Amino acid sequence: GNSVTQMEGPVTLSEEAFLTINCTYTATGYPSLFWYVQYPGEGLQLLLKATKADDKGSNKGFEATYRKETTSFHLEKGSVQVSDSAVYFCALSGSNAGNMLTFGGGTRLMVKP
Amino acid sequence: EAGVAQSPRYKIIEKRQSVAFWCNPISGHATLYWYQQILGQGPKLLIQFQNNGVVDDSQLPKDRFSAERLKGVDSTLKIQPAKLEDSAVYLCASSPLGTNTEAFFGQGTRLTVV
Repeated sequence: GNSVTQMEGPVTLSEEAFLTINCTYTATGYPSLFWYVQYPGEGLQLLLKATKADDKGSNKGFEATYRKETTSFHLEKGSVQVSDSAVYFCALSGSNAGNMLTFGGGTRLMVKP
Repeated sequence: EAGVAQSPRYKIIEKRQSVAFWCNPISGHATLYWYQQILGQGPKLLIQFQNNGVVDDSQLPKDRFSAERLKGVDSTLKIQPAKLEDSAVYLCASSPLGTNTEAFFGQGTRLTVV
């Protein structure tokens, strides 16, 4: 079946540091890949997505590239801000799974001023 | 545009009691999902509807959980009887028809079973 593995947190960084959150997946077919973010007290929001190999999703300074050869979709940001503190979830939607999302366990990011 | 609405936001019940959660998806979204998010874990799909039909309920514990979406719009998820391990946040999401479409999530209902 489909599964997503992401690095455990919490990840603690200083403001303006470089961020990488690793995500790898197992899936049949050609899944779409997503990063969702959950800010404190709020619901899950889509951060970015990529629907085919070598696609790069980007939003709010975050980027992730769909790497089929390494089955990875690592999230990166060049310079984090305190306001980026949140829990980040990597997810996939299988091509034969009716758009249902399979999530990783989440990674908490804490950015200190 | 209004987002996905869920109620209540919080619920505390004793084990063996019953509880129901309500979700109103974004207008026009044919697909509705219920996810269970246990503390410290990622959300896990319980059931997916397309209009008023069930697409996937393979991970729904049917001996105690039930869900319906009678008119293809809002939905209710019920637990009867509740167990301690049902303590979690129950998330509702909706999306339009089509592949790779974005799912929009509500704020969830936090259930505590004591």
